[in-house]
Amino acid sequence: SAVISQKPSRDICQRGTSLTIQCQVDSQVTMMFWYRQQPGQSLTLIATANQGSEATYESGFVIDKFPISRPNLTFSTLTVSNMSPEDSSIYLCSVLEYPAGPEGEKLFFGSGTQLSVL
Amino acid sequence: KQEVTQIPAALSVPEGENLVLNCSFTDSAIYNLQWFRQDPGKGLTSLLLIQSSQREQTSGRLNASLDKSSGRSTLYIAASQPGDSATYLCAVYAGNTPLVFGKGTRLSVIA
Repeated sequence: SAVISQKPSRDICQRGTSLTIQCQVDSQVTMMFWYRQQPGQSLTLIATANQGSEATYESGFVIDKFPISRPNLTFSTLTVSNMSPEDSSIYLCSVLEYPAGPEGEKLFFGSGTQLSVL
Repeated sequence: KQEVTQIPAALSVPEGENLVLNCSFTDSAIYNLQWFRQDPGKGLTSLLLIQSSQREQTSGRLNASLDKSSGRSTLYIAASQPGDSATYLCAVYAGNTPLVFGKGTRLSVIA
């Protein structure tokens, strides 16, 4: 299975600043996703990071607030812009893999970035 | 719109007990269902994935079942240990739509 390195693992930021989260995969993957998990809530998909083109955002998320880069098949970044306390969440990148065997496609996650905005 | 519900929201059991976590989903047209474990402040670890054509999957002390027609899945943990303490999430995948997650069950296993 893919090994996903995500950094930073946690950060405390001031209101109005921006933070860029990096996600590095040890193999080439087609599908990369960014999720958010607000305190006490389930995971919500922010966007699908497409290699070589703009990310596809889910309802409620916009590029100006969460710009995403995907320069190649092993790397992506998510920026949380102009942060407010409501952005305090865990942010996770994930990849879709197709392991050998009958299981079919499977989603793997990075270790997450715990963001606190003061 | 697919909705995933997990019951109970929290569970505390003594060490050694067998337990069952429940997951229900509203739209039975799923491709697969996956159970994850999340430790506090951490990312997710995939535990088991069940294809829509399967009825159960087993890994060690974990057994996950799927009844697609009734929109239910259970995660059975045998002989629970304090190291099993975590939040357990189920998620369903319908092919070309985002994975839909439940809110999770927070499990505490008391030594």
